[in-house]
Amino acid sequence: DVKVTQSSRYLVKRTGEKVFLECVQDMDHENMFWYRQDPGLGLRLIYFSYDVKMKEKGDIPEGYSVSREKKERFSLILESASTNQTSMYLCASSRTGSDTQYFGPGTRLTVL
Amino acid sequence: AQSVTQPDIHITVSEGASLELRCNYSYGATPYLFWYVQSPGQGLQLLLKYFSGDTLVQGIKGFEAEFKRSQSSFNLRKPSVHWSDAAEYFCAVGAATGANNLFFGTGTRLTVIP
Repeated sequence: DVKVTQSSRYLVKRTGEKVFLECVQDMDHENMFWYRQDPGLGLRLIYFSYDVKMKEKGDIPEGYSVSREKKERFSLILESASTNQTSMYLCASSRTGSDTQYFGPGTRLTVL
Repeated sequence: AQSVTQPDIHITVSEGASLELRCNYSYGATPYLFWYVQSPGQGLQLLLKYFSGDTLVQGIKGFEAEFKRSQSSFNLRKPSVHWSDAAEYFCAVGAATGANNLFFGTGTRLTVIP
């Protein structure tokens, strides 16, 4: 079975802090994704990566950056956290872009 | 532009009753279609997917979905709902070629009453 793990289930940070969310997949998938999920808005794509060191902006990239130095690891970075970034963050991976995406358990981030 | 509409934000059904969750999509190319389920506080789990072939797709946990190209729909069904089916359900669409990601609907929350 594909396994996607996220570094934290719950995280509390202060406004202005730099925040790292990490995601690791064990299936040698080419593609990895970061979404945020908010009530009534569904899943919104922040960034995705289709290869090591490659990234593309999704629908809501503002205030976020990403890093993919190794194929199995995809990091989401909040350079200066703000309260409007309080959300559930979901990581996913897939073999190809339109193939089944496998999700991690999510990180619920609260920014105070 | 690609989009997915799940017109029902919240549905309540009695345990043992049948269920249908609606999904309509807008996509210019041949679509790949997915249904995911999310239990509270968890990530998304794939229920079923349609890539090609038979338009009636069977999934896990007794769910099925039917692709109707003429109606641009991919509705999810279950003949008899169990209390453990209470969760949020997401429909998603991707392209057979050319795209690098999926587009998700806003979800339908299912409540099951005893």
